[in-house]
Amino acid sequence: GAGVSQSPSNKVTEKGKDVELRCDPISGHTALYWYRQSLGQGLEFLIYFQGNSAPDKSGLPSDRFSAERTGGSVSTLTIQRTQQEDSAVYLCASMSGNPPYEQYFGPGTRLTVT
Amino acid sequence: QKEVEQNSGPLSVPEGAIASLNCTYSDRVSQSFFWYRQYSGKSPELIMSIYSNGDKEDGRFTAQLNKASQYVSLLIRDSQPSDSATYLCAVNDAGGYQKVTFGTGTKLQVIP
Repeated sequence: GAGVSQSPSNKVTEKGKDVELRCDPISGHTALYWYRQSLGQGLEFLIYFQGNSAPDKSGLPSDRFSAERTGGSVSTLTIQRTQQEDSAVYLCASMSGNPPYEQYFGPGTRLTVT
Repeated sequence: QKEVEQNSGPLSVPEGAIASLNCTYSDRVSQSFFWYRQYSGKSPELIMSIYSNGDKEDGRFTAQLNKASQYVSLLIRDSQPSDSATYLCAVNDAGGYQKVTFGTGTKLQVIP
């Protein structure tokens, strides 16, 4: 079946502009995660959605970052007033709400802020 | 704070040898353990999951879990140059709150 999809695959934006990154999880998966990975670094947790529960926003680095998940499916990560340090690959992953609780990643969006 | 520790490497092994990758975790209530492979420029790919103490084998890969020692490992038999990648260990407490904690990864180099 279809995996996790993300769009766009690449985004180049000017400093100060807002960007929106989209994630389509695997159908039926109730949990959705956003991570950030800078060049040569590990995964940085950003935010986690689980069903209808309030999202865990503990990893968002500043109030310029926000995310929503509409209808329990598609999610959008928004970065306002982008800065050069926001340049990274943004990864989305989804997980079923039932065992075996395996997380699957999308291909990522490479964001470059000039 | 939950932590997952891995040696960053690089771990270099000759082609055909066994590569052994190790991971320790801090949270004793952790229930689910995963190994991901990440090629340069690509997203992580799930290769193994393990939930019970002992060994789990899948082809050339064997995951080993020891909850008493809070230790999980991945063995790759007959290593191939195509196995060269960064391997991420991940831990999930599976307590209804499915937040996954990742290690920073071990870079594996298989030398032809």
